[in-house]
Amino acid sequence: RKEVEQDPGPFNVPEGATVAFNCTYSNSASQSFFWYRQDCRKEPKLLMSVYSSGNEDGRFTAQLNRASQYISLLIRDSKLSDSATYLCVVDSGGYQKVTFGIGTKLQVIP
Amino acid sequence: EPEVTQTPSHQVTQMGQEVILRCVPISNHLYFYWYRQILGQKVEFLVSFYNNEISEKSEIFDDQFSVERPDGSNFTLKIRSTKLEDSAMYFCASSEGVQPQHFGDGTRLSIL
Repeated sequence: RKEVEQDPGPFNVPEGATVAFNCTYSNSASQSFFWYRQDCRKEPKLLMSVYSSGNEDGRFTAQLNRASQYISLLIRDSKLSDSATYLCVVDSGGYQKVTFGIGTKLQVIP
Repeated sequence: EPEVTQTPSHQVTQMGQEVILRCVPISNHLYFYWYRQILGQKVEFLVSFYNNEISEKSEIFDDQFSVERPDGSNFTLKIRSTKLEDSAMYFCASSEGVQPQHFGDGTRLSIL
């Protein structure tokens, strides 16, 4: 099993749609989980941290399921500007090293 | 908003030459990192640095690589003898605590 696994997509969705991405991780000792966004040939930008209780930031909701070792990201009311690659990032068990998934590409179409 | 800055934005180097990539982390951050991303592939961890020493490194970070914090603001990655497969985007990151990490806009390294 890969350390961090994501469906690379692409997910093509119309404006206004709701879209969800999942990510699975293999290290049961992982403690910190994040979603980053990466635009083409740009740096990863922190979108949100993911907590066990779930967290929401505007149109974005992240959930963590420790028992099943997966993380999800829900985007409501998709905007054209949401088009990007969404990277699932997991730590190595409380240490500084983090592992990135390959990313899920989202294309929001008018 | 404070940000991580990297120079140069693009570096072209002949195979076998040494290259130094530079980064200025966010000023109150204590942890520093280098990552690389080969075109079309995922972001890969290279090394983390804390309290003036390497704290973790990956198998990619072999003897050809070194990091340094020469003064209170800069953080550098040196590749001693570059290979074609070192061509990639190199990202520096920093964090105040162990997580989360904030990334610079990268240096594109092209080895000829």
